[in-house]
Amino acid sequence: DAKTTQPPSMDCAEGRAANLPCNHSTISGNEYVYWYRQIHSQGPQYIIHGLKNNETNEMASLIITEDRKSSTLILPHATLRDTAVYYCIVTQAGTALIFGKGTTLSVSS
Amino acid sequence: SQTIHQWPATLVQPVGSPLSLECTVEGTSNPNLYWYRQAAGRGLQLLFYSVGIGQISSEVPQNLSASRPQDRQFILSSKKLLLSDSGFYLCACPVGQASWGSGNTIYFGEGSWLTVV
Repeated sequence: DAKTTQPPSMDCAEGRAANLPCNHSTISGNEYVYWYRQIHSQGPQYIIHGLKNNETNEMASLIITEDRKSSTLILPHATLRDTAVYYCIVTQAGTALIFGKGTTLSVSS
Repeated sequence: SQTIHQWPATLVQPVGSPLSLECTVEGTSNPNLYWYRQAAGRGLQLLFYSVGIGQISSEVPQNLSASRPQDRQFILSSKKLLLSDSGFYLCACPVGQASWGSGNTIYFGEGSWLTVV
C-alpha cells in the first residue's frame, strides 16, 4: 500500500519555482519525509528530508504542514536539468525506501 | 565520505547464464545494504536488504539471490537468467547511523545495466 500520493506529472517554466506536492495522511510520529529524484538512466538522487520542521538545503526547500499529513518540495529556480521523476517517500530512519510512481516534472524554456 | 561502488556497469548475458553483480561500500562499517531493480519503464523495486554479514531478507520471490560475504560487500546472483531479469540494478546504503531525531540518508550507487538476450 502506497504511503504517499503525488500527482503523476507537472510542468514548470525555466527560472520559476517548482512546487511539488505530496500527501501522506497516514504518516506515523517516527516517520520522516524523504524526497529523491531520478533523472533518466541514472540512480535516484537524494534531495532533502525532514521530520516536522521545514528544511532547506542547497538544492531545495521542504515544507511540512503542521499536522504532517502533507508536504511540498520547492525548487526555487527550476532549470532544464531539474527535469526528472520526483519521489516523495515516508519511512522510518534507517529503513528501506519504498518507491512509488512519483511525479514527472518537465521544465521547459 | 561514503562511497558505493557497483560493477560491472553494463553487461549483456544470454538466457540461462549465471549472474553476479557486486556492490562494495567504503567509509562506513556494518551498514544496512539494499538491492533495487528498475525494469524498463517501471518503478524502483526493492529486491533484498541486509543488516549484517550473512543476513539477507528478500522482498520479492524471484530468480535472484543475494549474499553478504563481508561487512561492506553485497552480491546479487542468479544461477540461470531469464529475459525478465533485464533491468537497472542499484545498490543502496544509508549514510550515518539511524537514530531517532536525526534521520539519515540513503545513497545509491551508479547502477548496473543488465540486458538478458
